[in-house]
Amino acid sequence: SQTIHQWPATLVQPVGSPLSLECTVEGTSNPNLYWYRQAAGRGLQLLFYSVGIGQISSEVPQNLSASRPQDRQFILSSKKLLLSDSGFYLCAWRGPATGELFFGEGSRLTVL
Amino acid sequence: AQSVTQPDIHITVSEGASLELRCNYSYGATPYLFWYVQSPGQGLQLLLKYFSGDTLVQGIKGFEAEFKRSQSSFNLRKPSVHWSDAAEYFCAVGARGNTPLVFGKGTRLSVIA
Repeated sequence: SQTIHQWPATLVQPVGSPLSLECTVEGTSNPNLYWYRQAAGRGLQLLFYSVGIGQISSEVPQNLSASRPQDRQFILSSKKLLLSDSGFYLCAWRGPATGELFFGEGSRLTVL
Repeated sequence: AQSVTQPDIHITVSEGASLELRCNYSYGATPYLFWYVQSPGQGLQLLLKYFSGDTLVQGIKGFEAEFKRSQSSFNLRKPSVHWSDAAEYFCAVGARGNTPLVFGKGTRLSVIA
């Protein structure tokens, strides 16, 4: 069966520091991968999605970036964090047959 | 443009009472519709999904939802709520393929004794 892993689970970073959140999927090949951010009271905001290695679509202009160096690996990065980057980041992959999203457990980022 | 509206930000129900969470969507074609549940600090878990066919779909944990095309709605229901159902619930709409799902802002459910 397919599983999705995110790490780290919790991160506290100072303003201006870099960021790297990682997501890997097991048990499937060539998945569509997504990064969402969840801020209090604002639901889920799509940040990036990828349909293949090196293919990244950005939904929201910001100081974040994403990369997909391997088929089942999706990385969210920033060179310099802002206070507004605080939130709960969720990685997800999409099932090919029925289109539902399967989510990881999330990464809680606090920028101080 | 695709959009999902969950009109209720927060709902409180008594344990054992029935529940209905509302979801309205805007979509140009026949949508794929989903309900997810999120416990605090956790990822989202799929409760149920609709693609076609029977408009009343059954999900996990005793939940069901009904697709009403004329009302552009996909409301979630449960006949008897348990304290463990307290969580945040998200409705989502999308299409088959690569296009991302669009989520509503969520409804937080509190359950009181």
